[in-house]
Amino acid sequence: GAGVSQSPSNKVTEKGKDVELRCDPISGHTALYWYRQSLGQGLEFLIYFQGNSAPDKSGLPSDRFSAERTGGSVSTLTIQRTQQEDSAVYLCASSLGQIMVEAFFGQGTRLTVV
Amino acid sequence: QQQVKQSPQSLIVQKGGIPIINCAYENTAFDYFPWYQQFPGKGPALLIAIRPDVSEKKEGRFTISFNKSAKQFSLHIMDSQPGDSATYFCAASMQGGSNYKLTFGKGTLLTVNP
Repeated sequence: GAGVSQSPSNKVTEKGKDVELRCDPISGHTALYWYRQSLGQGLEFLIYFQGNSAPDKSGLPSDRFSAERTGGSVSTLTIQRTQQEDSAVYLCASSLGQIMVEAFFGQGTRLTVV
Repeated sequence: QQQVKQSPQSLIVQKGGIPIINCAYENTAFDYFPWYQQFPGKGPALLIAIRPDVSEKKEGRFTISFNKSAKQFSLHIMDSQPGDSATYFCAASMQGGSNYKLTFGKGTLLTVNP
């Protein structure tokens, strides 16, 4: 595709349910990032994938959060047993190399936990 | 601990005005300072960036001023237009921007009235 694609655009879920957020990076981009944007807050780093290297998961806020990247392309961010404080916009970005400032962001998935 | 403080939280100017957004950082290891522009429903997009070895950088109507001793930097938008209405984020990175973790400010919602 022409850009980073995220799905769904919006997700409303009940507290305690699991959710999966999908990111399709730009073709050929080896680096993929997940950031979270909470209301009134800046972006918060969650996780980074680079090629076949082990991902940097240091930004994941709890063990309820996990992410994987299959075949070096599509990535899925999974949140188990969602809580209200998980409500945020989840942004995915990709870049050719590991230079974040050269990355392109998707439009995000707005997650609302009720 | 918020490492990049951004102000103001919101800003309203008339067309042609010069909005100024300020950021201050604490970590002296930061050595690359990008600014992002985000329109509603879209992901952030890199606008302009500066390294601390220069005091000013200009790209079109956007100018970054940098004060290394004060650990502050600011974004000026010359001859602002209604199309500049967006949320602006400052950020900071280490290793000349090659580090994949960016630390973001909380954002400034700019409204430019016609």
